[in-house]
Amino acid sequence: QVQLVQSGAEVKKPGASVKVSCKASGYTFTSYDIYWVRQATGQGLEWMGWMNPKNYNTDYTQKFQGRVTMTRNTSISTAYMELSSLRSEDTAVYYCARGGSDRLAADRNWFDSWGQGTLVTVSS
Amino acid sequence: SYELTQPPSVSVSPGQTASITCSADKLGDKYASWYQQKPGQSPVLVIYQDTKRPSGIPERFSGSNSGNTATLTISGTQPMDEADYYCQAWDSSTAVFGGGTKLTVL
Repeated sequence: QVQLVQSGAEVKKPGASVKVSCKASGYTFTSYDIYWVRQATGQGLEWMGWMNPKNYNTDYTQKFQGRVTMTRNTSISTAYMELSSLRSEDTAVYYCARGGSDRLAADRNWFDSWGQGTLVTVSS
Repeated sequence: SYELTQPPSVSVSPGQTASITCSADKLGDKYASWYQQKPGQSPVLVIYQDTKRPSGIPERFSGSNSGNTATLTISGTQPMDEADYYCQAWDSSTAVFGGGTKLTVL
């Protein structure tokens, strides 16, 4: 079955960077887009961007442009999301999710499988 | 920017029908998805492309989308359906989520 397993919780100081991993299994990693969504405590879901693991295309929402980088290592079926210049407002649970169809454009897809989430805490 | 508006909370008695709305300008021209999230858990897809149910999602979950409103309907609501529900749509290549609706089954 499709599974996305994320790296563990992180505590970072303001101004630092964090890199969250998302290891995929149960399907062909390069066939489906990977999306990143975050959720601050008690708040709603916020989309950050997506990456196509096959051709490395990415798109980031304007709010995170210049601070976020999404990459992958196809040899180990793992996607990464790195967020830099962290501030306290970045404290949240970060999720990776898989696109539901391997035939649709990234901006037409739904998110059919989610990782367990990674808590990133930014505190001095 | 495009905004999806959901009621903050909806209450329903067990066995009754719950309807959760998601509103935005011309939302019916787009596809809507719905996600269920229970406390401390990751979101789970319950409806995609307005009306489709992923495998493993009970038939009591259904969706519709027309005009400016998408609706998630849960027929014969069970206590296990108590959760937060989020709608989602794409606008100008940006995924937009609604603010979420807390469904209480009491």
